[in-house]
Amino acid sequence: DGGITQSPKYLFRKEGQNVTLSCEQNLNHDAMYWYRQDPGQGLRLIYYSQIVNDFQKGDIAEGYSVSREKKESFPLTVTSAQKNPTAFYLCASSIVLRSDNEQFFGPGTRLTVL
Amino acid sequence: GQQLNQSPQSMFIQEGEDVSMNCTSSSIFNTWLWYKQDPGEGPVLLIALYKAGELTSNGRLTAQFGITRKDSFLNISASIPSDVGIYFCAGLKTNFGNEKLTFGTGTRLTIIP
Repeated sequence: DGGITQSPKYLFRKEGQNVTLSCEQNLNHDAMYWYRQDPGQGLRLIYYSQIVNDFQKGDIAEGYSVSREKKESFPLTVTSAQKNPTAFYLCASSIVLRSDNEQFFGPGTRLTVL
Repeated sequence: GQQLNQSPQSMFIQEGEDVSMNCTSSSIFNTWLWYKQDPGEGPVLLIALYKAGELTSNGRLTAQFGITRKDSFLNISASIPSDVGIYFCAGLKTNFGNEKLTFGTGTRLTIIP
């Protein structure tokens, strides 16, 4: 089945530790995105990448880092510099340079920092 | 970053009722998308709109791309229990090389027994 996978579904970390969230897609999509969702709120863009080895900051990039070494993978690292890391993290992907480049989402990772 | 104004924020309805929600922006979008999110899951795309004035249906769902390109509407007819969730609108400006979606704040739909 084609789709986007995120792992793990739930993640617990101690304050001050870096943690990396996985996102993989087998849709052959060019672009991948990371969003953060807080309770009762919409989605805020953290980072996005439209091509391998290139990525751009979104609206709330501080305290996060990403890499895009392969087309199908876009891991997100939540660093100790992120002041409020507990949230629901969503990865998405899309084809670019087409008018119908809808974004498709993974199932999300809920990160809780203790 | 900008977020789209989505209303209402929440709705409490009885099964069988029709639902309407909308999304407005101060700027123009080339594409409007509507997503539904179940608790603890990622959003799922419901309907995509590409042309001003376009009216598109997907089963009991109907969405419209506003003529001004600054708004969009989603209607759900004859609601059923599985319609419960959060509905998000999203707009895309289609600037090639800068493809970013702007999301609405969400409408939470609850069905009262």
